[in-house]
Amino acid sequence: DAKTTQPNSMESNEEEPVHLPCNHSTISGTDYIHWYRQLPSQGPEYVIHGLTSNVNNRMASLAIAEDRKSSTLILHRATLRDAAVYYCILRPNSGNTPLVFGKGTRLSVIA
Amino acid sequence: DARVTQTPRHKVTEMGQEVTMRCQPILGHNTVFWYRQTMMQGLELLAYFRNRAPLDDSGMPKDRFSAEMPDATLATLKIQPSEPRDSAVYFCASGLSGSPLEQYFGPGTRLTVT
Repeated sequence: DAKTTQPNSMESNEEEPVHLPCNHSTISGTDYIHWYRQLPSQGPEYVIHGLTSNVNNRMASLAIAEDRKSSTLILHRATLRDAAVYYCILRPNSGNTPLVFGKGTRLSVIA
Repeated sequence: DARVTQTPRHKVTEMGQEVTMRCQPILGHNTVFWYRQTMMQGLELLAYFRNRAPLDDSGMPKDRFSAEMPDATLATLKIQPSEPRDSAVYFCASGLSGSPLEQYFGPGTRLTVT
């Protein structure tokens, strides 16, 4: 499985944008970049995914580098409820295969 | 609002006892996953099913763990006999085999084996 590298932790002030980086230098051409997050005492939840182009949804934006070796999850205005562990995961475009979780980035949001 | 449900939410048991965890996937989803989360190992896959058939259970200790899908609305994970090292949070997730590829996770079963 292609590997991702994320910072262990990050901190943000409430109502400010947050940029969560992910490096995936060994990504293959058919790998999708997925982001999940896990709020305290809950199961992981899907955030966003993309292949080559930047993506936006109601939760976040995903910016993908032109060479696809890195990506950034953008939370436009962090709230206290965004405090969670964020996981960047590569998945092959071959059906709903298991997620391979790394350690993720623990995001703290300060009021 | 469709959700994956898991029962029980918490289970405390003594070493050697049998434990059964249940999962109800979202109606219509044909792929079901079991994951386990511990502080040391993080989230790891135990097994997964597609259309009720097991596709991969290589993450499970075969001698004590078993996973089944008696029908499309129920997945079970059984540990017999349980050991203290099985203490963890067990998550079930479901999804569709085709696009979209999101997995929807249940709230988990927190298992403590004393």
